[in-house]
Amino acid sequence: GENVEQHPSTLSVQEGDSAVIKCTYSDSASNYFPWYKQELGKGPQLIIDIRSNVGEKKDQRIAVTLNKTAKHFSLHITETQPEDSAVYFCAAPYYNQGGKLIFGQGTELSVKP
Amino acid sequence: EAGVAQSPRYKIIEKRQSVAFWCNPISGHATLYWYQQILGQGPKLLIQFQNNGVVDDSQLPKDRFSAERLKGVDSTLKIQPAKLEDSAVYLCASSQQGGGAEAFFGQGTRLTVV
Repeated sequence: GENVEQHPSTLSVQEGDSAVIKCTYSDSASNYFPWYKQELGKGPQLIIDIRSNVGEKKDQRIAVTLNKTAKHFSLHITETQPEDSAVYFCAAPYYNQGGKLIFGQGTELSVKP
Repeated sequence: EAGVAQSPRYKIIEKRQSVAFWCNPISGHATLYWYQQILGQGPKLLIQFQNNGVVDDSQLPKDRFSAERLKGVDSTLKIQPAKLEDSAVYLCASSQQGGGAEAFFGQGTRLTVV
């Protein structure tokens, strides 16, 4: 069935270190993989996404990698800053049900100064 | 470009009462989603509209929840009667199309049922 697994559920790093969050999905037809950042009291905000025709995409300190064979994708944040502290969600669409976007369980990232 | 607008931001009601949430998506976005986010969990899709038609409502508790999207623009989500377990943030999102298109979220409505 439709499922997106996300790990870890919590992640604590020192400012300047890197952070990596991993997700796996089950629908082999999924071809779009967004990452969202959610700050307290706000809605999720799209920060980066990747489509299945590429294996990696980078935007300044944020990068996403995709392994379609293994059905997993990862978010990499380098040189972390305290303002990166938030909950991060991955998602994937399930085309056997109209392309509905299924979210992972979330990762609470804490960056300590 | 204006974002997704939702109202109210907060609502407190007693169990068995009814409540309605409103969403105005980004102009031109054909797809509209309602998600329920329970504290500490990822958003769970309740219903997805394509224009004014329902694409998926398999996770909508239809005995108490209803949603409509008149004229393919604004949408309302209603709960009647509310239960304690309905306490959550209700998020509205929109995208130009379903599936592999960027979805943009509103700030959400935090519902507390007491």
